[in-house]
Amino acid sequence: AQKVTQAQTEISVVEKEDVTLDCVYETRDTTYYLFWYKQPPSGELVFLIRRNSFDEQNEISGRYSWNFQKSTSSFNFTTTASQVVDSAVYFCALSEEAPQGGSEKLVFGKGTKLTVNP
Amino acid sequence: ETGVTQTPRHLVMGMTNKKSLKCEQHLGHNAMYWYKQSAKKPLELMFVYNFKEQTENNSVPSRFSPECPNSSHLFLHLHTLQPEDSALYLCASSQDGQNNQPQHFGDGTRLSIL
Repeated sequence: AQKVTQAQTEISVVEKEDVTLDCVYETRDTTYYLFWYKQPPSGELVFLIRRNSFDEQNEISGRYSWNFQKSTSSFNFTTTASQVVDSAVYFCALSEEAPQGGSEKLVFGKGTKLTVNP
Repeated sequence: ETGVTQTPRHLVMGMTNKKSLKCEQHLGHNAMYWYKQSAKKPLELMFVYNFKEQTENNSVPSRFSPECPNSSHLFLHLHTLQPEDSALYLCASSQDGQNNQPQHFGDGTRLSIL
């Protein structure tokens, strides 16, 4: 079963529009961490935010905001007043406690490609 | 200098060649990772090294051979690869492999197998 689902494969908006990228996760752990990464065309994944499972406070950073809801197992990412430079592939990821004898792993969704047109 | 540096950025090789990918991190981290990113697939974790010890091999074929001589350097040795191995190979590092730490990624090596 897929642990991190990003149902939106591609989204295209016009500059200044608000856009929300969806992320739904699946886990049996009570302690886990959620991340968002941005991958511009250059290829490097850029860390955006980390959230732990005990902190459901929403977070705002400039034009970016994140809505974490445990009740729906969702961790959505909203960009307000989008800009061309926001164009990238955005990945949601889940990190759980390591299984016995194993390593902690970061499990990524398939990503959402956001294109912001001028 | 960027935190995680990967070389080369692009690599084209034949199926019988032997080549190596290099990753170097300047962040003082102790955990390093190799990921494979293929078109239309999620990032796939390949290997994890923590304090130079391999702690994860995610069922990767033996034609991929990692090497971690110290906490700052990670290599991926390639030999007799297949066309389906063409992908973007990303290196990452984190403080010490704990699940609450963000991973910092390099720009990747885009590998094409002829």
